[in-house]
Amino acid sequence: DAGVTQSPTHLIKTRGQQVTLRCSPKSGHDTVSWYQQALGQGPQFIFQYYEEEERQRGNFPDRFSGHQFPNYSSELNVNALLLGDSALYLCASSDDRPGFSGGTDTQYFGPGTRLTVL
Amino acid sequence: AQSVTQLDSQVPVFEEAPVELRCNYSSSVSVYLFWYVQYPNQGLQLLLKYLSGSTLVKGINGFEAEFNKSQTSFHLRKPSVHISDTAEYFCAVTQRPGGFKTIFGAGTRLFVKA
Repeated sequence: DAGVTQSPTHLIKTRGQQVTLRCSPKSGHDTVSWYQQALGQGPQFIFQYYEEEERQRGNFPDRFSGHQFPNYSSELNVNALLLGDSALYLCASSDDRPGFSGGTDTQYFGPGTRLTVL
Repeated sequence: AQSVTQLDSQVPVFEEAPVELRCNYSSSVSVYLFWYVQYPNQGLQLLLKYLSGSTLVKGINGFEAEFNKSQTSFHLRKPSVHISDTAEYFCAVTQRPGGFKTIFGAGTRLFVKA
């Protein structure tokens, strides 16, 4: 089992550009969540996807958008990059259906994508 | 809404000494509780979790944590630390019954000295 995988590992962009980050969930998982971890801070929830729809969203602007594909993989898109978007972006997957019991109630995290905005 | 407070930003400790990393949470609903570890330039690895049942939870690498509902705490302990335990530790909560977003604390940097 490959676990949660993310690509690319590192990325350098300039202000105003757009970026796409990718995530493949752990085998058997169909829920994917994205987190932003700024340097020296804990991860902050961006949004969650289940059945190809955004189910929950954190306090992030509309510049942050996402997508989930039929194979459960997911993309995070950030438009009009700002210096403050520089962070480690973490993808997490689980087998939980949002708001329902029956899953393992545990998220597994990928290694992250380090985004640097210059 | 939920919130997590990790009471120590840094904890220095000598090798083979015991350690406790403190975590308090606030929530108006029932929650699940987690501890994750993050090594430099890596993602988060699950150490242990409390879902229900016994309030003393054992995890990987010799760590354990105790859920105290009355004090809304979930402190992490290890009786004897190793140099390799040097890392960032995050306490986290998520609303029951599951599948909701996870709220993390700011992290505690454990530094084990020889």
